Amino acid sequence: GEDVEQSLFLSVREGDSSVINCTYTDSSSTYLYWYKQEPGAGLQLLTYIFSNMDMKQDQRLTVLLNKKDKHLSLRIADTQTGDSAIYFCAESTSGTYKYIFGTGTRLKVLA
Amino acid sequence: GAGVSQSPSNKVTEKGKDVELRCDPISGHTALYWYRQSLGQGLEFLIYFQGNSAPDKSGLPSDRFSAERTGGSVSTLTIQRTQQEDSAVYLCASSFRTSGSEQFFGPGTRLTVL
Repeated sequence: GEDVEQSLFLSVREGDSSVINCTYTDSSSTYLYWYKQEPGAGLQLLTYIFSNMDMKQDQRLTVLLNKKDKHLSLRIADTQTGDSAIYFCAESTSGTYKYIFGTGTRLKVLA
Repeated sequence: GAGVSQSPSNKVTEKGKDVELRCDPISGHTALYWYRQSLGQGLEFLIYFQGNSAPDKSGLPSDRFSAERTGGSVSTLTIQRTQQEDSAVYLCASSFRTSGSEQFFGPGTRLTVL
């Protein structure tokens, strides 16, 4: 079945860039998402990319998609302590209702 | 309401008791999803509603789990005869339509089964 994988932890220093990686298996994925979950809260959509795009930039966030390798990454520039959270990668396919989420990457930003 | 709400926020129960978890989606959102989040695990899909009907219940872990949605709005997830392995955060999400539409998540209900 479809699967989305992420590394579990990432630790960076404040001001550095963070890169969170994700791999997925479903070649028919149409939309790929990055969600952020802060402690005690639900998930909040950060950004998404269509599968026919290679890159999307939104302020401090850059999403890169390598469709051939089924690899998605989220780069956070100038990481701040407020960016500490769990980041989930997810994918869905047009015409279906199912979203497949990864295990989440816990980002810890050190002051 | 302004966002997806869930109640209760925390529930502690004894093994063998039944629990009901409630989700109020954003008004006008036809799609509603229930997920389970266990420690160190991703989001496990449980069930999806389109309107009041549930086309896919395949994610429900056992027949102790059931869910309904009434009036195309509020949904209730019921767990009967709770077990310790049911302890997790149960998240509800709604969206305006199905794929390609942002899912808006509630804050979740943390269930602890003693």
